[in-house]
Amino acid sequence: GAVVSQHPSRVICKSGTSVKIECRSLDFQATTMFWYRQFPKQSLMLMATSNEGSKATYEQGVEKDKFLINHASLTLSTLTVTSAHPEDSSFYICSARVLGQVNTEAFFGQGTRLTVV
Amino acid sequence: GENVEQHPSTLSVQEGDSAVIKCTYSDSASNYFPWYKQELGKRPQLIIDIRSNVGEKKDQRIAVTLNKTAKHFSLHITETQPEDSAVYFCAASIKGGATNKLIFGTGTLLAVQP
Repeated sequence: GAVVSQHPSRVICKSGTSVKIECRSLDFQATTMFWYRQFPKQSLMLMATSNEGSKATYEQGVEKDKFLINHASLTLSTLTVTSAHPEDSSFYICSARVLGQVNTEAFFGQGTRLTVV
Repeated sequence: GENVEQHPSTLSVQEGDSAVIKCTYSDSASNYFPWYKQELGKRPQLIIDIRSNVGEKKDQRIAVTLNKTAKHFSLHITETQPEDSAVYFCAASIKGGATNKLIFGTGTLLAVQP
């Protein structure tokens, strides 16, 4: 299947700093990528839909100025957690679909474990 | 709003028994329903999916059924093995702009006892 690579896999940062997470589709193009947040033993909560060349669409309750998303190319989307606080500590995971496909498998990255201290 | 409910939250079965996980969705326009398996610390992996134009799909020991009228879909695993132990998530595709977004259920922790 298609491969989605997420970097870094783990990051520890100080409270008040910003952290950037990259999501790359390695062997396919993706107009749309999705960013999820997963707390321990909980489900995948959709944060936003990242659209190549346009603004991201955020889910209700997700602060767009807190979680900046940039989708500059068909293979790369980035999520920046700005002014991180301990409550932002979580597992962030992205997924992507092959360009042009709507109801098909979404491929997931390996996730990023963010710890804010 | 869009919602996917999943039951049970935990399921323990003996090796060789069957396991059934059930989900309901709220958006009647949903037309794609994947199931993902997530092992501890790893990414979710698609194990089977079904589209709204069919009622059942089977792949070896795994099957999924869909009842569009009731807005229910279920995952059936037969002859369970210890390596089936993981968290299973159902999802429903919700229309969201140029593509459909996936809304996930709350997950089921399946433990297969040897």
